[in-house]
Amino acid sequence: QKEVEQNSGPLSVPEGAIASLNCTYSDRGSQSFFWYRQYSGKSPELIMFIYSNGDKEDGRFTAQLNKASQYVSLLIRDSQPSDSATYLCAVGVEGNEKLTFGTGTRLTIIP
Amino acid sequence: DADVTQTPRNRITKTGKRIMLECSQTKGHDRMYWYRQDPGLGLRLIYYSFDVKDINKGEISDGYSVSRQAQAKFSLSLESAIPNQTALYFCASAGSSYNEQFFGPGTRLTVL
Repeated sequence: QKEVEQNSGPLSVPEGAIASLNCTYSDRGSQSFFWYRQYSGKSPELIMFIYSNGDKEDGRFTAQLNKASQYVSLLIRDSQPSDSATYLCAVGVEGNEKLTFGTGTRLTIIP
Repeated sequence: DADVTQTPRNRITKTGKRIMLECSQTKGHDRMYWYRQDPGLGLRLIYYSFDVKDINKGEISDGYSVSRQAQAKFSLSLESAIPNQTALYFCASAGSSYNEQFFGPGTRLTVL
């Protein structure tokens, strides 16, 4: 079983709609959770991080964490074509010494 | 200027050659990491370091070695490159205990 799982997609969302990206993880001791955006051929860019249960909002992005269900999600409101990218979920493991990455969900925003 | 830089950005080499990839960061971070990315496999950790005297193996360290020359510099070596080491290589640094990592632009390595 993979430690961090994401639906690979592709996920297609109309422009202006809400995109919802999901991630589950297996290590109950995980304490830190990250969302990275990666454009094709480019490096991952950190867009959100969350440590506590609940929601964290930053502009059009909201990260949601439910430790009991071992589930973290990213919502993108008012989706724009520039949001089209692969979104990587990462989870801190071994006392946050390392991050384990999911394989990413490819998101396409349809104009 | 970029906070995490990698050189070279692209490299084509032949089987058996020794290759060094270099990474520098100006963020003042203690933690540095090397990953490789392959289609369908995501990012996999090769080595990581918390200071110049601390080097740790990641999940796929075989065939690779690293050197932490200074707090700001962390290099990755392939002693004898093989074709299945063809991949996109990323360096990252982190400064907090929560391990928010910031990535360099990547090196695309092709081993023929």
